[in-house]
Amino acid sequence: DAGVTQSPTHLIKTRGQQVTLRCSPKSGHDTVSWYQQALGQGPQFIFQYYEEEERQRGNFPDRFSGHQFPNYSSELNVNALLLGDSALYLCASSDPRGPFSSGANVLTFGAGSRLTVL
Amino acid sequence: AQSVTQLGSHVSVSEGALVLLRCNYSSSVPPYLFWYVQYPNQGLQLLLKYTTGATLVKGINGFEAEFKKSETSFHLTKPSAHMSDAAEYFCAVTSGTALIFGKGTTLSVSS
Repeated sequence: DAGVTQSPTHLIKTRGQQVTLRCSPKSGHDTVSWYQQALGQGPQFIFQYYEEEERQRGNFPDRFSGHQFPNYSSELNVNALLLGDSALYLCASSDPRGPFSSGANVLTFGAGSRLTVL
Repeated sequence: AQSVTQLGSHVSVSEGALVLLRCNYSSSVPPYLFWYVQYPNQGLQLLLKYTTGATLVKGINGFEAEFKKSETSFHLTKPSAHMSDAAEYFCAVTSGTALIFGKGTTLSVSS
């Protein structure tokens, strides 16, 4: 059973550029969340998608946007990259009964996409 | 607002010794609490979770944690450390349908 897959695994961008990261959830999961993990820190919640809509958002600027497709896969887009955006971006999927079920917070994480901004 | 504080950014133990990783939380509602482990260059893996019911929760790889409401704590323990336990450990609390993570504790195990 494939878990959460993310691409690319590593990428390097320069300040001001835009980046798109991709995520395929675990089979059977329909909710996707994105987290940013800076070096030496815990993951920080960016946003969550369910039924192709953003259901909850963390404290991140509008430069961070996302999308969920009918097949439940998701993209994270970051515009006007800053040096401080360098981090590991983690995608997590969760319980197929939707974000308000008791199992909703049991997240299955991908290995992440490591973004370096120069 | 919900938050988590992990006491001690780095814990070192000898193989076979007790592992104790500390986590205190703040939550305005009854919390769901989690411990995740992260090995180098990997995503996070769920160790255990507390939602409701029994306050002593058993997880994978011999880990367990006890929810103590009076102390707002959810400390992670393992009776006997193994070299393979060396990793980064994160405590987390729910905030809506998101998780709020602590800054993590690096566990080192020496032979």
